[in-house]
Amino acid sequence: DAGITQSPRHKVTETGTPVTLRCHQTENHRYMYWYRQDPGHGLRLIHYSYGVKDTDKGEVSDGYSVSRSKTEDFLLTLESATSSQTSVYFCAISEYLGDTEAFFGQGTRLTVV
Amino acid sequence: TQLLEQSPQFLSIQEGENLTVYCNSSSVFSSLQWYRQEPGEGPVLLVTVVTGGEVKKLKRLTFQFGDARKDSSLHITAAQPGDTGLYLCAGAPLQDDYKLSFGAGTTVTVRA
Repeated sequence: DAGITQSPRHKVTETGTPVTLRCHQTENHRYMYWYRQDPGHGLRLIHYSYGVKDTDKGEVSDGYSVSRSKTEDFLLTLESATSSQTSVYFCAISEYLGDTEAFFGQGTRLTVV
Repeated sequence: TQLLEQSPQFLSIQEGENLTVYCNSSSVFSSLQWYRQEPGEGPVLLVTVVTGGEVKKLKRLTFQFGDARKDSSLHITAAQPGDTGLYLCAGAPLQDDYKLSFGAGTTVTVRA
């Protein structure tokens, strides 16, 4: 299994609070992605990174920010959590650009109450 | 609207029956991938199809890539309860080859 660790695995937070999810990899892969998964929508790309300090927006980036200060860590921050951000969040890594195999973490279930 | 449209959304069949899942788009892809996801886990890659018209077989699973590289299908022969799961197609369109996009998925349930 690819070495990807997401933390926390579960979190309940209140509306309006900031939340940071962490993705840590031991594979030294260049590309890292954050997705959210909701019923009926599948996996939707939030942000991705193509190198240290190099990030870009995906299709559902509003309300989210990311940072990548080291190759192995990719952080996703919800500046002010809303109930619509209740979801399961997956981090993925890939060695090459998007059209290649991506390895996924086990996900973080976030509930905003 | 999703870049990749999967159908059907749900599929429930008896053990031993065959099933087909479809993945369609109006965009052209350099390759398409199929993933399988089990509850509480992240998706795991099953196969990547690269050439238009390509057919790949993985035991009882057959994957096809359309000639125009806009669609793909997954066929399972003699399904078993162990095939139960969420099947997702994914790909990065030629114009945005860094954005791996996913279909909404097909939930397959195989009853014993």
